[in-house]
Parts: sequence; C-alpha cells; structure tokens
Amino acid sequence: DAGITQSPRHKVTETGTPVTLRCHQTENHRYMYWYRQDPGHGLRLIHYSYGVKDTDKGEVSDGYSVSRSKTEDFLLTLESATSSQTSVYFCAISESRFGQEETQYFGPGTRLLVL
Amino acid sequence: GQQVMQIPQYQHVQEGEDFTTYCNSSTTLSNIQWYKQRPGGHPVFLIQLVKSGEVKKQKRLTFQFGEAKKNSSLHITATQTTDVGTYFCAGVTTSGTYKYIFGTGTRLKVLA
Repeated sequence: DAGITQSPRHKVTETGTPVTLRCHQTENHRYMYWYRQDPGHGLRLIHYSYGVKDTDKGEVSDGYSVSRSKTEDFLLTLESATSSQTSVYFCAISESRFGQEETQYFGPGTRLLVL
Repeated sequence: GQQVMQIPQYQHVQEGEDFTTYCNSSTTLSNIQWYKQRPGGHPVFLIQLVKSGEVKKQKRLTFQFGEAKKNSSLHITATQTTDVGTYFCAGVTTSGTYKYIFGTGTRLKVLA
C-alpha cells in the first residue's frame, strides 16, 4: 500500500461544530484528493489539490474547505458539521491528475458521524 | 448532471459461477478505471482502459471499454470467495467541464 494515513480514523461530533480531517502522504505525489462515500452514490469528489496551496472544487464541495500548506498534508474542514455530512471520507493521492498515467492510491478512510 | 451508473447494484453468485458488472456513462469518457473495494476497506486500483473497444485481461478478470467510450464491463470467470467486494468504475468526462466521476458500484457476494 502507498504511504497514506488519515486521522482521525473515527470521529463522532455534534451538528454545528467544526471538524478537520487530515491526510498525510509519504510518497511525494503532486495530486491529493478528498472523496466521500455514501451508500448508493459510490465515491464523490469533494476537493482536490494539484500542488501546495493549489486546490480546486469537486462535485460536492459545498460545506467543505481544504488547505494544503505542505506537499505531504491535505486537510479537509467542515466549517459547521451537519448530519448530511455523516459519511466515510477517503483521501487519495496520485502523480498525474486523477491517476490518468498510473492510478490513484487511497487512504484507509475516516468514518464521521454527525449527531 | 453527468452520471455513471453500474448494474447490477448487488450480485450473489455461487463460487465457480461467472460474474459481470456493467458501467454506463451518460457522457463520453476519455478513459475508464476499475477499482475493487473489500468490505471495510479502501478502493484499490485494478486496471485502466483508454482506447475505444479495448479489452484487457488479468487472470480471471476481463475488462472491456465500449466502442463509443460510454460504457465498460468487468467479467470475472469462475468466481472465488476472494472476489468478494464492491467493484467501481471511474472515468474522466470529455464533454463540458473536466470531471472525474465514480460509478455507483456493484457489490459482489460469493457463496461457498
């Protein structure tokens, strides 16, 4: 497996609280991604980064912000968590955009429950 | 909006039977990637197809990309219990905004 870690792995929080999820890689890959996975929807792209301080929105970016101050770290923040953001969140990395030249490697995931 | 649907959503097979999942996009894709996700695990890349009509094989797995580059299939011959999991297709759309979209997934259960 590629060197990707996510923290925390599990989190329970209350509606209205801010939450930050961290993705850390040791592969020095340029691209990093945040996805959410929900039953019946597969994986949906939230945001992605193509370099330090360079990010772009995915298809479900509302309610989420991201930051990448170092190559190895990509943070996902829920400014004010809502129950609809209860999901499993996966971080992924790749050397080319969306792994077009090779593949994306996924982290172990973070299970978030918003009460 | 742009969608990538997979059928069936669920499939139960007896060990040794064949299995096929179909991936259908509402728009043309520049490529198609297939991933496998074991229960409780994360998606793992299987293969990428780029050319129209392309067919690739990996042991018991056969992948095909349609001529119009809007659909794809994954066929598993003689399933084994290790094939259990959810299979996803994913691709980059070529029309309108550049988008990377995952299919809805097919969950395979193999009965021993």
